[in-house]
Amino acid sequence: EAGVAQSPRYKIIEKRQSVAFWCNPISGHATLYWYQQILGQGPKLLIQFQNNGVVDDSQLPKDRFSAERLKGVDSTLKIQPAKLEDSAVYLCASRLGPSTEAFFGQGTRLTVV
Amino acid sequence: SQQGEEDPQALSIQEGENATMNCSYKTSINNLQWYRQNSGRGLVHLILIRSNEREKHSGRLRVTLDTSKKSSSLLITASRAADTASYFCAWGEYGNKLVFGAGTILRVKS
Repeated sequence: EAGVAQSPRYKIIEKRQSVAFWCNPISGHATLYWYQQILGQGPKLLIQFQNNGVVDDSQLPKDRFSAERLKGVDSTLKIQPAKLEDSAVYLCASRLGPSTEAFFGQGTRLTVV
Repeated sequence: SQQGEEDPQALSIQEGENATMNCSYKTSINNLQWYRQNSGRGLVHLILIRSNEREKHSGRLRVTLDTSKKSSSLLITASRAADTASYFCAWGEYGNKLVFGAGTILRVKS
């Protein structure tokens, strides 16, 4: 089966610019997660979708980050405007259900200069 | 961390030795999972243990779970150079939330 697809793999932007990441989860996986992983740290959950509804976005900086999952399949994560501290790897994961493993994409490495 | 800890932060061992990593969490969980991450790559699932299980094996991996102490451990036996990576525990909270620990960096020297 195809894995979780993410694009782009790398992105360099200047602070105050905007950026968007795209994720295509595994077919049939209702749960989709976006994580932010700063170098040397564990992944931090930003937002969790169940189909096209948001389940948890308690750690999403909503003044600059937004995410959507139209039609309950693909998802985009946007940052506007970016700050230097947003430099990180952004990971997308999908999961069939609560008792199953999560599958991760390769991530997007964002550098804000 | 407000959500949990992993220790040690880093571990360096010789090939053939065993490696043990520990994870503690603070909430009620549905299950606990361990993932591996090679430098610059995505996370790969290793093993899942349910909250009603105490021990689980998969090849050279052995995971234990003590829900009364809110802790888990991952044992890698007969380590190989290819096991060099970062290892993360992730606990599945009710509502399908998946929260990660800070990770342990394992280096296996050949």
